[in-house]
Amino acid sequence: AQSVTQPDIHITVSEGASLELRCNYSYGATPYLFWYVQSPGQGLQLLLKYFSGDTLVQGIKGFEAEFKRSQSSFNLRKPSVHWSDAAEYFCAVGLYNQGGKLIFGQGTELSVKP
Amino acid sequence: DTAVSQTPKYLVTQMGNDKSIKCEQNLGHDTMYWYKQDSKKFLKIMFSYNNKELIINETVPNRFSPKSPDKAHLNLHINSLELGDSAVYFCASKRQSGNTIYFGEGSWLTVV
Repeated sequence: AQSVTQPDIHITVSEGASLELRCNYSYGATPYLFWYVQSPGQGLQLLLKYFSGDTLVQGIKGFEAEFKRSQSSFNLRKPSVHWSDAAEYFCAVGLYNQGGKLIFGQGTELSVKP
Repeated sequence: DTAVSQTPKYLVTQMGNDKSIKCEQNLGHDTMYWYKQDSKKFLKIMFSYNNKELIINETVPNRFSPKSPDKAHLNLHINSLELGDSAVYFCASKRQSGNTIYFGEGSWLTVV
C-alpha cells in the first residue's frame, strides 16, 4: 500500500541554523511528491513539488528538496532557518492513477529558537 | 482574490445538528477534493469530484454528503453531527490534467 513516513514528529532548530526534514515514501510507480507547510491556524501552502527531471527541486521561501529514488526519500532542506518558518510541514505523494489524491505523512512540527 | 475559498472558516455547533461547508475555486480547475485533518493533524482524503462527477469516496460515514452544483463548487453537508466530527476540513482543487493540488484555508469545525 502507498504510504508516506515523516520520522520526526517535532524538530527544534536555532534561528540561522540549517534544516533538514525527512520524508520516506512507499509507492510502486514513479511518484509525484510534494511538501506543504501549515502555519498555526492557517491552510496548506505548497512549498515545492517533484514530478520528473532534476532531482533537486527549488521551492518558495528558500526551501529545496532532493528526490532520491534509491532511498525512497524526498527530504526538505533550508540552509538558514528564520523564525517565521516555525510551522507544521507535510510531505505527500500524489496518486495520479487514483483520481489524483494525495497521501500525506504525519507531519513534522518545526520550532525555531531565537 | 482567494483561489480556493471555504465558508465558514470557524463553526461551533451542537451534537445532532446538520451543517454545511461551502467551497468555491476560481482557478478554472476540473477536480475538487475534501480532506479532513484530525486532532493529531493527520490529513486524509474524503471525496473527490471531477466535472461534477464523484470519483473518490473514501470510507466516510453516510452522514457526510458532498454536492457539486458545478465544477467550481464542492460543498460538504454533514448530518447528525457527532463529537468525533470535530476537525479541520480542507477543500482543494486541481486541473484534470494537472498534478498540483491547491488547498483552501480550511474550515475549523467544533462539535460540542
